[in-house]
Amino acid sequence: AQKITQTQPGMFVQEKEAVTLDCTYDTSDPSYGLFWYKQPSSGEMIFLIYQGSYDQQNATEGRYSLNFQKARKSANLVISASQLGDSAMYFCAMREGRGSSASKIIFGSGTRLSIRP
Amino acid sequence: NAGVTQTPKFRVLKTGQSMTLLCAQDMNHEYMYWYRQDPGMGLRLIHYSVGEGTTAKGEVPDGYNVSRLKKQNFLLGLESAAPSQTSVYFCASSYGGANYGYTFGSGTRLTVV
Repeated sequence: AQKITQTQPGMFVQEKEAVTLDCTYDTSDPSYGLFWYKQPSSGEMIFLIYQGSYDQQNATEGRYSLNFQKARKSANLVISASQLGDSAMYFCAMREGRGSSASKIIFGSGTRLSIRP
Repeated sequence: NAGVTQTPKFRVLKTGQSMTLLCAQDMNHEYMYWYRQDPGMGLRLIHYSVGEGTTAKGEVPDGYNVSRLKKQNFLLGLESAAPSQTSVYFCASSYGGANYGYTFGSGTRLTVV
């Protein structure tokens, strides 16, 4: 069964520092997608970044990058030069399979990131 | 371009009352989902649908029913609300395939007293 594990319930980081949020996953399907979502205090879910299991390079989106280590089954989110607006809950998520069999995403329990000024 | 719209945004129910949460999407997505979010537990899948007229159980389906009579709408029903169903409910939609993420609604905060 697929599973997502986020072992850091909360983190504090100084503004402008880089931060790494950990995520490990478990799946037996060779085809899967990994996602990170941000949930600020306002409650909406914001898509940040995606990594496909067959992608050769780590995904990057602006200040966000995904450190994908396939053999270790880890998909850590790296935020460079953190800003006060990065304070939020962050969820790692995974979707298995291809086509219509890739029906649902499972989420980790989240990491609450707090940026100190 | 509305994306995914959830109604209502807030609701307080008494134990035993029923209600229906509505999710509507205008992106022609085949797949739609209902999740609940509780503190410290992330998002847990209640029910989902892979197309008009289809529904399937997720991780925590007990106490909920769903219907997908139209492709753009996915309804979540609580027949007899319980305090344990106090939560934030998110609807989401997507295309099929492992490389597609979700578009989320803004959530419904439900309190059952």
